[in-house]
Amino acid sequence: TQLLEQSPQFLSIQEGENLTVYCNSSSVFSSLQWYRQEPGEGPVLLVTVVTGGEVKKLKRLTFQFGDARKDSSLHITAAQPGDTGLYLCAGARTTDSWGKLQFGAGTQVVVTP
Amino acid sequence: EPEVTQTPSHQVTQMGQEVILRCVPISNHLYFYWYRQILGQKVEFLVSFYNNEISEKSEIFDDQFSVERPDGSNFTLKIRSTKLEDSAMYFCASSGLAGGAQYFGPGTRLLVL
Repeated sequence: TQLLEQSPQFLSIQEGENLTVYCNSSSVFSSLQWYRQEPGEGPVLLVTVVTGGEVKKLKRLTFQFGDARKDSSLHITAAQPGDTGLYLCAGARTTDSWGKLQFGAGTQVVVTP
Repeated sequence: EPEVTQTPSHQVTQMGQEVILRCVPISNHLYFYWYRQILGQKVEFLVSFYNNEISEKSEIFDDQFSVERPDGSNFTLKIRSTKLEDSAMYFCASSGLAGGAQYFGPGTRLLVL
């Protein structure tokens, strides 16, 4: 089983501050996906990264896939209370799998006004 | 925007009873998945389905579980004889590519008494 470790587990910041969430593994993934999950709801896809070194931006969110495709980060600039939520990373491998996702445990982000 | 739908949203059942959870994946997707999330734990892969057959399954997906695509739109998960430890949120997901972006439904909360 290839484990995805997310850090930190919990992050509380003030509105306007920046934050970074990390997702690390010892295994190589074909793609890595970031989701946001609200309590009692399904994960909502934010982005998929597939190329080592790839950087994708979604408004104030910046996602990076490591060169070796083993790790990823999510950076939020000027966080707002609406960014509060559980952020999950999930990796897929297609070399020995049909693309099942291995999920990290998540980072709970709280942004206070 | 196309989305994955799931019914019912909540299901309460007695231990030993059969339950069927239903999903309608995004219409042009070819890869279908079931995941589950026990309260407070990670999202866990159960099974993937492609070309009308199971392509991969986890250790959790034992003989009590089965999946079916009875027609061109529905994708179902059946648990033959539920156990207390089957209580969880069950999520259906679909993707257009193996290892590609997976879109999740809102989930079915199953409670086994």
